[in-house]
Amino acid sequence: NAGVTQTPKFQVLKTGQSMTLQCAQDMNHNSMYWYRQDPGMGLRLIYYSASEGTTDKGEVPNGYNVSRLNKREFSLRLESAAPSQTSVYFCASSEQGTDTQYFGPGTRLTVL
Amino acid sequence: AQKITQTQPGMFVQEKEAVTLDCTYDTSDQSYGLFWYKQPSSGEMIFLIYQGSYDEQNATEGRYSLNFQKARKSANLVISASQLGDSAMYFCAMREDPNFGNEKLTFGTGTRLTIIP
Repeated sequence: NAGVTQTPKFQVLKTGQSMTLQCAQDMNHNSMYWYRQDPGMGLRLIYYSASEGTTDKGEVPNGYNVSRLNKREFSLRLESAAPSQTSVYFCASSEQGTDTQYFGPGTRLTVL
Repeated sequence: AQKITQTQPGMFVQEKEAVTLDCTYDTSDQSYGLFWYKQPSSGEMIFLIYQGSYDEQNATEGRYSLNFQKARKSANLVISASQLGDSAMYFCAMREDPNFGNEKLTFGTGTRLTIIP
């Protein structure tokens, strides 16, 4: 049982490049989330998806887009990466009506 | 104003001692949830314990307990008999707005706990 998986684990981009972070869960959860973690700031919500086909903005959505491809997969896209987007990105999932979110291992992104 | 405040950036505790990590929160919702997550140096986020705002008993999970004081808006994590493997960052988080499908969390800035042998 893999839980929540994320690819890639590490990525270095140049300013202006684009990339997509992939997330998949095998727990049949309806809700999925993308967070970023910056030093000294805890985790902040970027986007979330309550169910397949729906997405909503979180606290820090600017510069990102998301796609809920199906129930299992929720991707995060950076169209034109900026150094301010250097961070560790976590995907999480939860079952609606429950309170526990399960996190993936994270993607460490550096934008030069 | 911060929704979740963790005032201890770092703590050092002797092995086998108990440790309390502080967390205060700010919300006007009547229904909310409070969580603690552990993040070891490997980076993953591990769920430890949950307390619902209507739960009358303090939550416990093995060596972890949550000291929930609703009137003070505090949700401190207590780790009994600390072990070297408890060395990690610990995050307090809150879920507000109980709308269906909207279980997004707000996190504090974390406390780095170091257990000394």
